[in-house]
Amino acid sequence: DVKVTQSSRYLVKRTGEKVFLECVQDMDHENMFWYRQDPGLGLRLIYFSYDVKMKEKGDIPEGYSVSREKKERFSLILESASTNQTSMYLCASSHHLIRGDDGYTFGSGTRLTVV
Amino acid sequence: RKEVEQDPGPFNVPEGATVAFNCTYSNSASQSFFWYRQDCRKEPKLLMSVYSSGNEDGRFTAQLNRASQYISLLIRDSKLSDSATYLCVVNVGPTGNQFYFGTGTSLTVIP
Repeated sequence: DVKVTQSSRYLVKRTGEKVFLECVQDMDHENMFWYRQDPGLGLRLIYFSYDVKMKEKGDIPEGYSVSREKKERFSLILESASTNQTSMYLCASSHHLIRGDDGYTFGSGTRLTVV
Repeated sequence: RKEVEQDPGPFNVPEGATVAFNCTYSNSASQSFFWYRQDCRKEPKLLMSVYSSGNEDGRFTAQLNRASQYISLLIRDSKLSDSATYLCVVNVGPTGNQFYFGTGTSLTVIP
């Protein structure tokens, strides 16, 4: 089974703190993604990476940065956490080319609360 | 216009009922189609891919209509355990970084 592991299930941080969310996958997937999910807004793409040290902005990159130093690890960084970044954060990975039943595999999510 | 649109519901149906969800997509170049299931406070998980000829997996049937740009999911003989949010997902290109997600349709199966 593909495993996408996120380092924390629940996190509470203070406004202005720098926050690191870690994601590791063990299936040698080229692509990795960070989404946030909010009620009524669905999944929104923050950043994705299609190779080591490569990154692309998604739909809502403001206030976030990412790091992909190794193929299996993709980190999301909140430079200075704000209350509007309270959300469920989901990491996902996929093969570069989608074949057959390939889809995204998601981690179990990190519920971040910024107070 | 959103890439993928779904009726958010909620759909509340009795056990044993048949329920259908539709989803429309805007990009005619879309290549791959999926239904994901998301339980409350859990991550989305792949339920099934949607093939051009339609496909079935037990009580679940998925269909694709390219001319009208919509996909559907039919659940027969609903079980309590089917209660979840169902996400429609469309991949616009051949590479795995062009997925678009619908906002999901909520289903509650009532005893």
